[in-house]
Amino acid sequence: GIQVEQSPPDLILQEGANSTLRCNFSDSVNNLQWFHQNPWGQLINLFYIPSGTKQNGRLSATTVATERYSLLYISSSQTTDSGVYFCAVERNFNKFYFGSGTKLNVKP
Amino acid sequence: KAGVTQTPRYLIKTRGQQVTLSCSPISGHRSVSWYQQTPGQGLQFLFEYFSETQRNKGNFPGRFSGRQFSNSRSEMNVSTLELGDSALYLCASSHNPTRAKNIQYFGAGTRLSVL
Repeated sequence: GIQVEQSPPDLILQEGANSTLRCNFSDSVNNLQWFHQNPWGQLINLFYIPSGTKQNGRLSATTVATERYSLLYISSSQTTDSGVYFCAVERNFNKFYFGSGTKLNVKP
Repeated sequence: KAGVTQTPRYLIKTRGQQVTLSCSPISGHRSVSWYQQTPGQGLQFLFEYFSETQRNKGNFPGRFSGRQFSNSRSEMNVSTLELGDSALYLCASSHNPTRAKNIQYFGAGTRLSVL
């Protein structure tokens, strides 16, 4: 299967700070998505980004498919950004491989 | 448009019992995938169904099975429950996985506790 590594595993920020989360994957993929898991367990879509750069408000993401990595940027972090962020990649037939996540704690 | 609906949200079972979890995909979505999330193993793929056919399967024992109905709703079944089956089970749906832009949407999950 495809290996997905996320870093850092844990991140503590003061409200207002910026952060960069990284996702490395071991093989070429057709799909890459970033998710935020809320405290109740639901995975919320942040970005569908198999390549290129996208922005949505304070969040942006970049995937460099040829170098097999993706970055998620969070600017001006808020306490509501806390939670676990997952990167997931897919090669075929909706079989997604997830990283182990980055646990973000934003303190007021 | 309603999201992915999973029922029940919580379940408590004892070892040796069996359990059935249900997932209703977003209207119009034909693909349903199932994942198991545990603190030790993280998120792991169980299986995927498209048009009532299982197209892909993860590395889980045969006690884990699933099916999809003609209305795209899916069920997964775990027989002879073990303590290690305690987990959050997540279902995801997508419109058409053969399209270039294939976005997965997840339900809120079913939290299963095996005592």
